[in-house]
Amino acid sequence: DVKVTQSSRYLVKRTGEKVFLECVQDMDHENMFWYRQDPGLGLRLIYFSYDVKMKEKGDIPEGYSVSREKKERFSLILESASTNQTSMYLCASSLQGHYNSPLHFGNGTRLTVT
Amino acid sequence: AQSVTQLDSQVPVFEEAPVELRCNYSSSVSVYLFWYVQYPNQGLQLLLKYLSGSTLVKGINGFEAEFNKSQTSFHLRKPSVHISDTAEYFCAVRGDSGYSTLTFGKGTMLLVSP
Repeated sequence: DVKVTQSSRYLVKRTGEKVFLECVQDMDHENMFWYRQDPGLGLRLIYFSYDVKMKEKGDIPEGYSVSREKKERFSLILESASTNQTSMYLCASSLQGHYNSPLHFGNGTRLTVT
Repeated sequence: AQSVTQLDSQVPVFEEAPVELRCNYSSSVSVYLFWYVQYPNQGLQLLLKYLSGSTLVKGINGFEAEFNKSQTSFHLRKPSVHISDTAEYFCAVRGDSGYSTLTFGKGTMLLVSP
């Protein structure tokens, strides 16, 4: 079974802090994704990556950046956290070249910015 | 570009009753369609998917969905629900190009009571 692990389940940070959310997958998937989930808004794509050192903006990239130095790890960075970034963050991975392959999700990181 | 509309934000139902969760999509290209389920405090997991072929798709836990191209719908059904089906359900659509990403609906919370 594919395992997508997000390093923190809950995180509380202060406004203006730099925040790192880490995600690791163990199935050699090329594609990795970061979503945020908010009540009534569903999942919205922040950034994704199809290969090491490669990144693409999703629908809501403002205020975020990402890093993919190794195939198995995809980090989401909040350069200066703000209260409107309080949310549930979900990481996912999938096989490349199989554009109908399902996403495998981690259990999420609930971030609170105070 | 594609979009997904889930018409109901919440669906309350009694145990052993049938249920239908509605999903409509729009896209200018051929699509792949998915239903994901999110149990409390967990990430999303794939319930079923439509890629091509038979328009009736069967998934895990007794769920099925029917693809209707003329009505651009992909409604999810179960003939008899259990308490354990209480969860949030997300419909998602993906275009058939190699680097198309998944677009999610806003989710439908299924509340099963005894």
